[in-house]
Amino acid sequence: NAGVTQTPKFQVLKTGQSMTLQCAQDMNHEYMSWYRQDPGMGLRLIHYSVGAGITDQGEVPNGYNVSRSTTEDFPLRLLSAAPSQTSVYFCASSSRVANYGYTFGSGTRLTVV
Amino acid sequence: AQSVTQLGSHVSVSEGALVLLRCNYSSSVPPYLFWYVQYPNQGLQLLLKYTTGATLVKGINGFEAEFKKSETSFHLTKPSAHMSDAAEYFCAVTSGNTPLVFGKGTRLSVIA
Repeated sequence: NAGVTQTPKFQVLKTGQSMTLQCAQDMNHEYMSWYRQDPGMGLRLIHYSVGAGITDQGEVPNGYNVSRSTTEDFPLRLLSAAPSQTSVYFCASSSRVANYGYTFGSGTRLTVV
Repeated sequence: AQSVTQLGSHVSVSEGALVLLRCNYSSSVPPYLFWYVQYPNQGLQLLLKYTTGATLVKGINGFEAEFKKSETSFHLTKPSAHMSDAAEYFCAVTSGNTPLVFGKGTRLSVIA
């Protein structure tokens, strides 16, 4: 049981480049979320999904896209990377059966130069 | 909308002393409350959670928290701090079918 798997663990991008951060869970969780973590800011919600085919914006969605074509996968796309998107990104999943306790991936450390 | 306030961005205690990390929440519906711990350069690990029922919740590593509805609080405590407890701690709230909302975190330092 792998839980929540994020790839890559580290990434350096040039300003303007695009990329996709991958997130997969094998727990059949209906809820999935993407957060970014910046010093002193806690974890801020980027996008979330309550099930396959359903996504919604969080607190800081600008510059990011998501899709949820399957229950297992929830990729985060950076459309045109900016230095302000330098951060640590976490994917998490949860379910009603698990009393909404979220399981987190190990994170992706992204640097935009 | 739900929100979480963690009082004190940095708390320092002596080894063996009581640990008290404060969390207040805002929610218009019955909340589910969580404490997570993050060690340096690692992901988030669930310490404990309150869903329904008993208001005193015990978690891993000797931590516990008490849900006080009248005070809208969910403070985290541990009777005796250990050096290995040094980490960042996050309080979070959800109503169930809404995303988890986090506080800004409290960094705990333990002094020998």
